[in-house]
Amino acid sequence: AQSVTQPDIHITVSEGASLELRCNYSYGATPYLFWYVQSPGQGLQLLLKYFSGDTLVQGIKGFEAEFKRSQSSFNLRKPSVHWSDAAEYFCAVGARAGGTSYGKLTFGQGTILTVHP
Amino acid sequence: DTAVSQTPKYLVTQMGNDKSIKCEQNLGHDTMYWYKQDSKKFLKIMFSYNNKELIINETVPNRFSPKSPDKAHLNLHINSLELGDSAVYFCASSQDPSGRSLGMKTQYFGPGTRLLVL
Repeated sequence: AQSVTQPDIHITVSEGASLELRCNYSYGATPYLFWYVQSPGQGLQLLLKYFSGDTLVQGIKGFEAEFKRSQSSFNLRKPSVHWSDAAEYFCAVGARAGGTSYGKLTFGQGTILTVHP
Repeated sequence: DTAVSQTPKYLVTQMGNDKSIKCEQNLGHDTMYWYKQDSKKFLKIMFSYNNKELIINETVPNRFSPKSPDKAHLNLHINSLELGDSAVYFCASSQDPSGRSLGMKTQYFGPGTRLLVL
C-alpha cells in the first residue's frame, strides 16, 4: 500500500522568502502525485499534480513541485511567499491502475505554513 | 455560488445518536466522495460514488452508510455515534466516468463538516 510522509509539521517563513515543503512517498511504481492547500475552515484546493512527463510541475498561485524518482520525493516550492499563502499543505499519492489501491488517494499529515510579515 | 456544499457545518451530538451529513455539488460532476480528517489531520477516503453507484468502500464501520439519491447529492448517515467518530468530514466531487480515475481528475472539496461526539 502507498504511504506519504511530510516530515515538517510546521514551517515558519518571512514574507518574500522562498519556501520548500517536503513530501516523500512510498509506492511500488510511479504514482500520481498531488499537492493540496487547506485554508482555515475551508476545504482542500488542488495546487498541482504530476502524472508523467516533465518532472517539474507548475501549479496555481506561483507554486511548483519537482518529482524526483530516485528520492521518492515531490517537494513543493515557491520563490517568494505571500502572507496569503499561510495555510496547511497536504501532499497526496494516488495509485495507478491495478491492485486494490487503484482509485484511492492517500494523504500525508500536512504541513502548517505560517508567514511572518 | 458554492460548487460543493455541505450541511451542517458543525455538528455536536451525544454518543449513541444517529446523524446525517449532506453534500451537494452543482458542478455537474458524476463522481462524489466522502473523506474523514482525524484529529491528527490525516485525510482518508471513505467512499466514492459514480452515477449513484458505490465504487470505493474503504474499511469503514458499517455504522456509516452513504446514500446517493442522484448524481448531485451524496449523503452520509452515521448510526450509533462513537467518540472516535469525532472528525472533520469532507465531501468532494469530480468529473470521472469510471469513478476510479482519482489520479486523472481534479477533485473539488466542500468546506467540511466538523463533527464532535460527546
